[in-house]
Amino acid sequence: QVQMVQSGAEMKKPGASVKVSCKASGYTFSNYGIIWVRQAPGQGLEWMGWINADNGNTNYAQKLQGRVTLTTDTSTSTVYMELRNLRSEDTAVYYCARGEKVRYSNGWSGEYFQYWGQGTLVTVSS
Amino acid sequence: SSELTQDPAVSVALGQTVRITCQGDSLRNNYASWYQQKPGQAPVLVLYGQNKRPSGIPDRFSGSSSGNAASLTITGAQAEDEADYYCNCRDSRNNHLIFGTGTKVTVL
Repeated sequence: QVQMVQSGAEMKKPGASVKVSCKASGYTFSNYGIIWVRQAPGQGLEWMGWINADNGNTNYAQKLQGRVTLTTDTSTSTVYMELRNLRSEDTAVYYCARGEKVRYSNGWSGEYFQYWGQGTLVTVSS
Repeated sequence: SSELTQDPAVSVALGQTVRITCQGDSLRNNYASWYQQKPGQAPVLVLYGQNKRPSGIPDRFSGSSSGNAASLTITGAQAEDEADYYCNCRDSRNNHLIFGTGTKVTVL
C-alpha cells in the first residue's frame, strides 16, 4: 500500500534552516509529483511547492520563493523540503502528499492528493 | 483572482443535508478536489474530478461544478462528518496550487 512517512518534529531558532523528509513507498516513485503543504496553528492549509519526482522540476509558492527548496533522492524514494531563514511565523505542521492529475474529455483538468504524510511539526522559537 | 473562497462555517442537523461551496476563477476549467481534516490529523481526500470518491469514502459525499464555483454536498450528515473541509485546484495561469479558505462543518 502507498505510504508517505515523514521525519520527526523539529525545534529551531529564528534564522536557522530545517530539512524535513518524506519517504514514499508502495508505488513507483518517479511516476508522481509530490507537494508540500503547511498549516500554522489554527490556520488553513497553505501550499508551499511541488516537485516532479521524475525530473526534479519544481514550482514554489511566491510567498516562499528564495527560502524553500524541494529535492528528491530517487535511490531512497525520498523527498526533502528545506526551509531557510526561519521565522516564528513558519511554526506549523508540514505535510507532503502525492499528486495525481487527470485530463477529462471535456477539456477540464483535475488534480488530487490521496496519500499524505503524517505531518511534521516545526517550531521556531528563540 | 487566484483565491478560493469558502464560507468559514456551516452547521447541519444530524441526518440532514449540507452544501459547502468554493468559489474562484481557477475553477472555470479545473475540477476541485475536496479534503476533510479533523483536529490533529492529516487531510483526507473525500472527492475529486468528476464527482469521484476514493475507496472508503461514503457515498453521502458528492460534488458538482458550475461556472467559477464547486460544491461538496453531504447528504445525511453523520456525527463523524464534523470536520474542516478544504477545496483545492491548480491556478492555470501560474501553475500554483491553491487551497480554499476552509469551512468548519458542525453536526448538531
